[in-house]
Amino acid sequence: KQEVTQIPAALSVPEGENLVLNCSFTDSAIYNLQWFRQDPGKGLTSLLLIQSSQREQTSGRLNASLDKSSGRSTLYIAASQPGDSATYLCAAKRREYGNKLVFGAGTILRVKS
Amino acid sequence: EPEVTQTPSHQVTQMGQEVILRCVPISNHLYFYWYRQILGQKVEFLVSFYNNEISEKSEIFDDQFSVERPDGSNFTLKIRSTKLEDSAMYFCASSGHYDNQPQHFGDGTRLSIL
Repeated sequence: KQEVTQIPAALSVPEGENLVLNCSFTDSAIYNLQWFRQDPGKGLTSLLLIQSSQREQTSGRLNASLDKSSGRSTLYIAASQPGDSATYLCAAKRREYGNKLVFGAGTILRVKS
Repeated sequence: EPEVTQTPSHQVTQMGQEVILRCVPISNHLYFYWYRQILGQKVEFLVSFYNNEISEKSEIFDDQFSVERPDGSNFTLKIRSTKLEDSAMYFCASSGHYDNQPQHFGDGTRLSIL
């Protein structure tokens, strides 16, 4: 059974800092891994999707990496801004018919101005 | 940019009553999902739907739950006889033609059972 863990649970940084959020998964037979942002009381906004055959994906100031062999993914945020404050979730998908995502508990990020 | 829309945003219901949560997925998507998030807990998978049938369901998705795609645009989740523990945020999601595409989520329906 797939378990997804995110460390740290919460992070507070000053504006402008580069930061790394960590995601680990127990079952390396993943099909892809998706990173989301969740603002309070809101839905999940998809940030990046990394296929199992890829090592990293980039979008603007965000870069996500994937290491299947070690069961880890990281989300790197460059030059953080107060608007980046949110909960960041990772979710892993196995290659199975239903396509379900298994989520981590998230990292609550606060960027102070 | 196309988005998944959910209605209502908040539903308050007496225990034992039936509720229907509605979703309009992104128009050219073929895979549809329901997830839920109990306050303070992880987002949990409930059910996936493809080609007009359930493709996978979790152990949470018991006989009191059902899903339907009544027309070409809506996707609904029905809870037949609600319980207190059904109180949660319910998210609808959809994804494109291929199973390697990202899932896009709606803003959710907050369901409160009294």
